[in-house]
Amino acid sequence: DIQMTQSPSSLSASVGDRVTITCRASQSITGYLNWYQQKPGKAPNLLIYAESRLQSGVPSRFSGSGSGTDFTLTISSLQSEDFATYYCQQCYSNPTFGQGTKVEIK
Amino acid sequence: QVQLQESGPGLVKPSETLSLTCTVSGDSISSYYWSWIRQPPGKGLEWIAYIYYTGRTNYNPSLKSRVTTSLDTSKNQFSLKLSSVTAADTAVYYCARYYYDDTTYPHEYYFDYWGQGTLVTVSS
Repeated sequence: DIQMTQSPSSLSASVGDRVTITCRASQSITGYLNWYQQKPGKAPNLLIYAESRLQSGVPSRFSGSGSGTDFTLTISSLQSEDFATYYCQQCYSNPTFGQGTKVEIK
Repeated sequence: QVQLQESGPGLVKPSETLSLTCTVSGDSISSYYWSWIRQPPGKGLEWIAYIYYTGRTNYNPSLKSRVTTSLDTSKNQFSLKLSSVTAADTAVYYCARYYYDDTTYPHEYYFDYWGQGTLVTVSS
C-alpha cells in the first residue's frame, strides 16, 4: 500500500492567515491526490481532487498543488468556518489517507 | 442530490460479524463504485472496500480476510460484512460513492458523497 504522511499533525492559526498543509506519498502518485475537510461529528467533505481541481461549491481560497510525491493544500485566507481537520487521500492505487492535520484557532 | 444512509446494529459482540447496509437515493448504484470507510474514535480514516456495479470488489489488504461486500440493485443498497470483530474494529463506519472519470488525465477518483456515518461498538 502507498503510505501518505501529512505535516504538520496540527497547527494554530488566526482568521485571515495563509495556511499550508503538506502531504507526502511513499511513491510517486502523479496527480492522483485528493483533499478533504472534516468537522467534528460530520463526514469528510471533498475540497480538491486530481491534485488541483476545486470541487464544485468549494470556496476559491482553497487550492491544491504538487507533483510526484509531494503535495500541498493552501488556504489563502483562513475563515472561521475553516477550523477543521484536513485529510489527503491518494487514488493511484487502493485508496489510503493521510493521518490528518487539525487546524485550530490561535 | 445523492444521499447515502448507513443502517445496522450499533453494538456487536467480539468474534461476531458486523453487518451494515447503505441505502442510496438520488442516484442508481448501477454506476460508479460504492465504498466503505471507517474512522476509529479520535483517529483517522481507513478505506475498507469498494464494489463496482458489476459486482467487482476490491478490499483493503489488511482487512481482506474478514470483509465481504455485496450489492442489491433492486433496493439500491450495498452492504458490508466484517467477521471476527474485536475492540479494534470499534469505529464510525461511513458509506460513500467513489466517483471515477477515466476520460481525463490524471483520471479522477474521489469520494464525493458520504453517509452521515454510524458508530459501531464492539463490546461484550
